Amino acid sequence: DIQMTQTPSSMPASLGERVTISCRASQGISNYLNWYQQKPDGTIKPLIYYTSNLQSGVPSRFSGSGSGTDYSLTISSLEPEDFAMYYCQQYDSSPWTFGGGTKLELK
Amino acid sequence: EVQLVESGGGLVQPGRSLKLSCLASGFTFSNYGMNWIRQAPGKGLEWVASISSSSSYIYYADTVKGRFTISRDNAKNTLYLQMTSLRSEDTALYYCARSTYWGQGVMVTVSS
Repeated sequence: DIQMTQTPSSMPASLGERVTISCRASQGISNYLNWYQQKPDGTIKPLIYYTSNLQSGVPSRFSGSGSGTDYSLTISSLEPEDFAMYYCQQYDSSPWTFGGGTKLELK
Repeated sequence: EVQLVESGGGLVQPGRSLKLSCLASGFTFSNYGMNWIRQAPGKGLEWVASISSSSSYIYYADTVKGRFTISRDNAKNTLYLQMTSLRSEDTALYYCARSTYWGQGVMVTVSS
């Protein structure tokens, strides 16, 4: 199985700050990488698909990039509703595997 | 709008069985492969099982192989997960998902 290493596991940040979350795959995943946001009630919202494509309705302050084994999610200017958990997921090969998550916390 | 609504969760004793359902709407269910993913309390996301659109291809995580069965009824737009020989470590929030679309999740608690 492809291992996904997501860093950092937690990140204190301030409103308006620019933050970047990284995800490294144990082998190349050909850009088959999604990003999700999870709120405390468990609701999972897709943010980015295929590395850099914004899901419909997701604010443009979210962006994704990467290639090969290294990928990242950037939030350009944090809003109050952005403080949540974030997960990366590869779907290049079965089974789907996920990063361990990043908890974005208000500093 | 794609909607996935899970049901069937609850409290169950170790060794017993439980069947989850996921009712899909807003898309042609029979055209898509589906998945179950779970999240144990305070833990990350774990893929559990996948089924192709016509049920021809089915895959399981090693942690549930031989105990869980994924199935679907395309006439009813419903995905299922039959869980048997449940263990405490199966306690989790279970999500059904179609690619990037996820349901709200249903809680399964295995405890005596």
